[in-house]
Amino acid sequence: NAGVTQTPKFQVLKTGQSMTLQCAQDMNHNSMYWYRQDPGMGLRLIYYSASEGTTDKGEVPNGYNVSRLNKREFSLRLESAAPSQTSVYFCASSERGGVGQPQHFGDGTRLSIL
Amino acid sequence: SQQGEEDPQALSIQEGENATMNCSYKTSINNLQWYRQNSGRGLVHLILIRSNEREKHSGRLRVTLDTSKKSSSLLITASRAADTASYFCATDASGTYKYIFGTGTRLKVLA
Repeated sequence: NAGVTQTPKFQVLKTGQSMTLQCAQDMNHNSMYWYRQDPGMGLRLIYYSASEGTTDKGEVPNGYNVSRLNKREFSLRLESAAPSQTSVYFCASSERGGVGQPQHFGDGTRLSIL
Repeated sequence: SQQGEEDPQALSIQEGENATMNCSYKTSINNLQWYRQNSGRGLVHLILIRSNEREKHSGRLRVTLDTSKKSSSLLITASRAADTASYFCATDASGTYKYIFGTGTRLKVLA
């Protein structure tokens, strides 16, 4: 079982470049999430998708867009990368949105913006 | 803003000792979860405790929840070197299903 798969694992961009981070889950989960993790900040929610066809902003959505392509896939796009977006990005999924749902995480994409 | 704050930020113990880490939060919750993160990996769910529960066990893990103090603790008994990781609490604010993660406790277990 692959669980949650994120691609790429590492990426270096120049300021102003665009990029899409890919995430796919094979657990038939309804809800998917994008977080960023910065030193000393814990994880912060960027966007989430409670179910196929819906997306909502999280705590830090500025500079990002998302697409819930289908039930399996949830992508995160940086249209014009900025150094402040240097971070580790995690995708997660849960069986459904709502309380009491454990989240399953991918191993992250380490993104550096020069 | 952070909902959960873990304490201590870092903890170093000898193998076989118990490790206790704490999480405080600000608003009412429906449930609280604890996660582990090994270096360079994603988070792994450990245990969930609901707001109407006071204590929960899973193997060597014991979690308590005190809603009156808005705090939770995670106890790892008889620690092993493999328990070396960062531990995060995650809370959901009542009325939402967005989880907010704390800043984590870095645990180092020395062999």
